[in-house]
Amino acid sequence: EVQLVESGGGLVQPGGSLRLSCAASGFTFTTYWMTWVRQSPGRGLEWLANIKQGGNEMYYVDSVKGRFTISRDNAKNSVYLQMNGLRVEDSAVYYCARGGFGQLGDYWGQGTLVTVSS
Amino acid sequence: QSALTQPPSASGSPGQSVTISCTGTSSDVGGYNYVSWYRQYPGEAPKLVIYEVNKRPSGLADRFSGSKSGNTASLTVSGLQAEDEGDYYCSSYSRGNNLVFGGGTKLTVL
Repeated sequence: EVQLVESGGGLVQPGGSLRLSCAASGFTFTTYWMTWVRQSPGRGLEWLANIKQGGNEMYYVDSVKGRFTISRDNAKNSVYLQMNGLRVEDSAVYYCARGGFGQLGDYWGQGTLVTVSS
Repeated sequence: QSALTQPPSASGSPGQSVTISCTGTSSDVGGYNYVSWYRQYPGEAPKLVIYEVNKRPSGLADRFSGSKSGNTASLTVSGLQAEDEGDYYCSSYSRGNNLVFGGGTKLTVL
């Protein structure tokens, strides 16, 4: 059974940092792109970043470039999102999803809530 | 990286068909066959219902179908059932290695 389990969310002050993790199981992790998507309370979905199978190609939405970094550890079947310089508007549920630009999101994690507030 | 345009709401009675549109530009929807659709229930993660414009994930009911004409993609749900009620989002690859989502459509089964 394919499973994606996010962790690392929480309450952080503006300007702070968080590192989200997504542990994958039930499929051959090294053959899939992985993606992070977020959803602000009561709002729609926003694509944030994705990373190729080998970890050597990453792409970001403009609003997080230079602040967020996606990475993966294929030995641990995990993908990460390092978030620096957090802003109030970064408050959202953060999902990891399997896939890249093509068949994105045939599996999603349950999401982890990030709240940026003083 | 502008969001794709979806109607905020759509509705239909059980057994009827409903179509939800997703309008972009030649830089996203119109330029690539990487349009996907997702259904989301409140408090849950999205679920993929259509990918690459008109392909259904394995195990998904054939009541869901997708199409594209020019810069507009469409999702049709036939034979509406109560369980189809939810929020539907489209997404598309966008020129320059980006991905954009639509604003979402709330589907109500009357």
